Amino acid sequence: AQSVTQPDIHITVSEGASLELRCNYSYGATPYLFWYVQSPGQGLQLLLKYFSGDTLVQGIKGFEAEFKRSQSSFNLRKPSVHWSDAAEYFCALRFSGGYQKVTFGTGTKLQVIP
Amino acid sequence: ETGVTQSPTHLIKTRGQQVTLRCSSQSGHNTVSWYQQALGQGPQFIFQYYREEENGRGNFPPRFSGLQFPNYSSELNVNALELDDSALYLCASSLRGPNEQFFGPGTRLTVL
Repeated sequence: AQSVTQPDIHITVSEGASLELRCNYSYGATPYLFWYVQSPGQGLQLLLKYFSGDTLVQGIKGFEAEFKRSQSSFNLRKPSVHWSDAAEYFCALRFSGGYQKVTFGTGTKLQVIP
Repeated sequence: ETGVTQSPTHLIKTRGQQVTLRCSSQSGHNTVSWYQQALGQGPQFIFQYYREEENGRGNFPPRFSGLQFPNYSSELNVNALELDDSALYLCASSLRGPNEQFFGPGTRLTVL
């Protein structure tokens, strides 16, 4: 069965500091991978996605993620965090074939301090 | 281009009642998926519809049912509501194939 693990429930960083959110997955083949962001009471916004090709993926709002097959990881990074980045971040995967069920991790809540 | 919309925004029901939630897909999208997000959790897949037929279902009981209409809008129906059904219900639309899903703002359901 496919699964996504986000080991950090809550992360606090200072504004301007770098950020890395961890994501590990379990799946029999190479999945499609996503990072979404959710502000309180809001829906999910796609930050970036990996389907194939270059393993370093650029997204919106200055985020990037690197797919590492050997580590079954897809960590999200940002070189300099802004106060507006405070939100909850979800890593997700779906089958690379068949129907489009997306499996989400439990999320990492990011707090940004001045 | 209009994004995914959902109605209503908030809803309060009592245990045992039935509820219908609605979703309008993004223009041109032929696939719609529904997710349940309990407080403090990640979204859980309920089911997906493509061309008006259910073509995938998560671990949810039959009292969760849905419809997709020819214009690709969709409904989620929940019968015999339970307290644990209180959650944010998210609708997502996409094109079939290796494409991302676009999420609506959600409907917050509270069951008392």
